[in-house]
This record gives sequence, structure tokens and C-alpha cells, in this order.
Amino acid sequence: IQLTQSPSSLSASVGDRVTISCRASQGISGSLAWYQVKPGKAPKLLIYAASTLQIGVPSRFSGSGSETDFTLTISSLQPEDLASYYCQQLNSFPRTFGQGTKVEIK
Amino acid sequence: EEQLVESGGGLVQPGGSLRLSCTASGFNFTYYSMNWVRLAPGKGLEWISYIGANGRISNADSVKGRFTISRDNAKRSLYLQMNSLRGEDTAVYFCTRDQGASQFSQRFYFFDIWGQGTLVTVSS
Repeated sequence: IQLTQSPSSLSASVGDRVTISCRASQGISGSLAWYQVKPGKAPKLLIYAASTLQIGVPSRFSGSGSETDFTLTISSLQPEDLASYYCQQLNSFPRTFGQGTKVEIK
Repeated sequence: EEQLVESGGGLVQPGGSLRLSCTASGFNFTYYSMNWVRLAPGKGLEWISYIGANGRISNADSVKGRFTISRDNAKRSLYLQMNSLRGEDTAVYFCTRDQGASQFSQRFYFFDIWGQGTLVTVSS
């Protein structure tokens, strides 16, 4: 199963609403997770089961979608959200990741 | 605190071998499936290997026949034996815990704990 993320990068201002798309090549029900990756740090789980917020993750992050179309939304971008974001399908092996979206702050 | 700590990375020549280790603490390692994921310079995350709590194994095509995942529950440790290394294997390697949650009569999986990573550089 291939995952296609868009855009590959974006630049937004603090306070902006940001959306990242992840499209699966075939239906995966809700078996999708989102991760945040910052340079030199361990990746961090944000969302699992497409829309469930991981404990401790700020509520400005949210996920939606099912089967082939998924979205990660940051409702109000903060400076600490500068990072790359990846979707991952866990419906079947191999457990593929999207190619990532780099979020920059204007 | 639930934690994973990788070790064993370093510089190795093409065609060489390396063994990575990952030690778990703060949770019952025996009950969990585990994975290895890598992040190559300028590239994205790549899942490479899985070992279930029951010993089931799955590998990415890119490492099949070259990398072997294993575990020692008594030592709370996960391993990745890497042989026939290539330049494209250069990456930071992370071990991750495989977690599951049941919702709406379905089982969903995700990687909830990650180690800090260990750098493997394949170069002559």
C-alpha cells in the first residue's frame, strides 16, 4: 500500500490553520497514524486510528478520514510545530509511511 | 518511565556487518511487538522490520535477505543484524514499540514509543 502526502512542504504563519493530506493507494479502514519528526529527536506519535489524539498531544492537532483519504489539521500553528509530519498505514505489511510534509514558519 | 535505548551504530564499510541493539525499560517487553524504522539523510521515514510478541517476523523488501530482526525477552532487548551493508543503508535507526487499541470492534496499531536513534554510516 502506497501513501501519498501533500503538500511536500508548506510555509505558514503563527496562528494559521494548516492541513496535510495523506492518500492511500487502497482502502485501509482507519488504520492510519500521524507522527511529528524534529531534527535530532525521536519521532512523536500524534494521532492513531485516523482520528484519536495520543495522550499528551495538544488539542490543536486533529486527524480525520477513512479508507483512502486522510487529513492532519493543526488548528492554530505554533512556533514549536516546526517539524516534518508523516502518515503511516498499519492495515497490512509492509507498514508504509508517506513521504513526509515539512512545515516551516513564515 | 517507558523507554527504549538503541546502541551499536557506527561507521562500516560497504559489504560489512553491524548489529544494533535496543533495550527496553519501564514496561513488560515480553508482551509487545517491536519494529525497526530508519530515517536516511534528506529522506523520509522507512519501516524496515517487525517482530511480534509471538515471534512472527516481517521485513521490508529493501532489507530482505540482508537484515535479521530478533529479540531476547529475558534481556528486554531487540536486535537488528545488518549484513551486506550498502551506502543507501546509511540512516538513523530507531526501535519502536508496537501498540494496539480496540475501537468500534476493530483493532488499530501504532508506534507509541520510539528510541532516540542510533546512526549507521556505510562508507569506505
